[in-house]
Parts: sequence; C-alpha cells; structure tokens
Amino acid sequence: QKEVEQNSGPLSVPEGAIASLNCTYSDRGSQSFFWYRQYSGKSPELIMSIYSNGDKEDGRFTAQLNKASQYVSLLIRDSQPSDSATYLCAPSGAAGNKLTFGGGTRVLVKP
Amino acid sequence: DAGVIQSPRHEVTEMGQEVTLRCKPISGHNSLFWYRQTMMRGLELLIYFNNNVPIDDSGMPEDRFSAKMPNASFSTLKIQPSEPRDSAVYFCASRPLAGGPQETQYFGPGTRLLVL
Repeated sequence: QKEVEQNSGPLSVPEGAIASLNCTYSDRGSQSFFWYRQYSGKSPELIMSIYSNGDKEDGRFTAQLNKASQYVSLLIRDSQPSDSATYLCAPSGAAGNKLTFGGGTRVLVKP
Repeated sequence: DAGVIQSPRHEVTEMGQEVTLRCKPISGHNSLFWYRQTMMRGLELLIYFNNNVPIDDSGMPEDRFSAKMPNASFSTLKIQPSEPRDSAVYFCASRPLAGGPQETQYFGPGTRLLVL
C-alpha cells in the first residue's frame, strides 16, 4: 500500500462544474495536509492547506479533512480551463517537517 | 522577494559524468528539501536539511548521490557518476522552521536533467 493514494485520472470535467479530488494517507501521525497544483513542465505551487478536521474554503477551492478516515479531499467549484493541471496531495509526517506526495490527479477542464 | 533559485535549469550530460545541481533557498527559510520527479515514481524526497544540517537522507537512492549545505543560502546535489536512470526533474524547496508543521514548502523551478 502506498503512503499517499490518489486517483491518477484524468478527471475530465466541463467548464463551470465541480471537480472533486480525493486522497487517502497511511500515516496516522500526519499533522498538516497540503494540496499543490502542478502545470505541465512547471514546479508545484500551493493551493490549499488544512490542519483540522472539517472544511476549509478559499475562493473556488474547498479542502476537506477527516483524520479518523485518513482522508483529505479538494473541491474545485466553477472549474475553469486554467484549472487543468495535476493536483498533488501531500500530508506532513508526524514530525511535521517532511511531506510525502501522492502521485497526483490530472484534471482536464473542457470548455 | 525572490523565490527559490535553482541552476542550471537544464542539464544534458553523458553517462559517467559528474553532475552538480545548485539551489538558493528563500532568504530566511532555514529548512531545505531536494526532490526528484519522474513519470514512474512521482515526486520523491531525496534529502532535507534544517539549519544547514542534514536531517533525513533516507530518500537518496545510492552512494552516487550526495548533498551539502555549506551555508544558509546555498545547497548542492551531486551525482557522480551519473547514469541514464538519473534522468528526471530535480526540485529544491524551502520553508521556515519557525511556523512548525503548518508552514508551506515553496518550490524552485527545477533542473531538468538528461543523462545520455
């Protein structure tokens, strides 16, 4: 079992729809959870971070965390073609400093 | 503020040659990470430093890889000798330690390495 599991996709969504991305992790000691977006040929950039169970909203993005289920998700509302990218889930380790990245979910938003 | 700076941005070399990748973290960031990204293995942590001291090098694939951080503003990742399977994009990232586990890592633009 991988430490961080994500559906590789591609997740194809029409413009204006909601994209739902899921991530499960194995380290119960993980304290912080990060979602990075990576465009092809570019470096990862932070989209959202979440530390407590529940929902956290930032603009069109909502992160959801359930530590008991070891599950974190990202919702992208009103998806735009510019959201087409690979989204990487990254829980921190128990010590808090080290991130373990999932394989990423590729999202395609079609006009 | 300047972001994380990496050089070179692209490197093409022949098998057996020494390769040195360089990284300058964001000023004030005292934790530095080296990652490797390939299609097959995704984004893998190779090594990270806190306050210039290597903390975890368990991701370094083998003795051909070495990393140093002689001061707070400079780090190198060296591959000697290089092999075709080392071809990948190598990212450097940095973050401040002070904020604890909630602090974000910021990535540099990466070095695209091709070993022929």
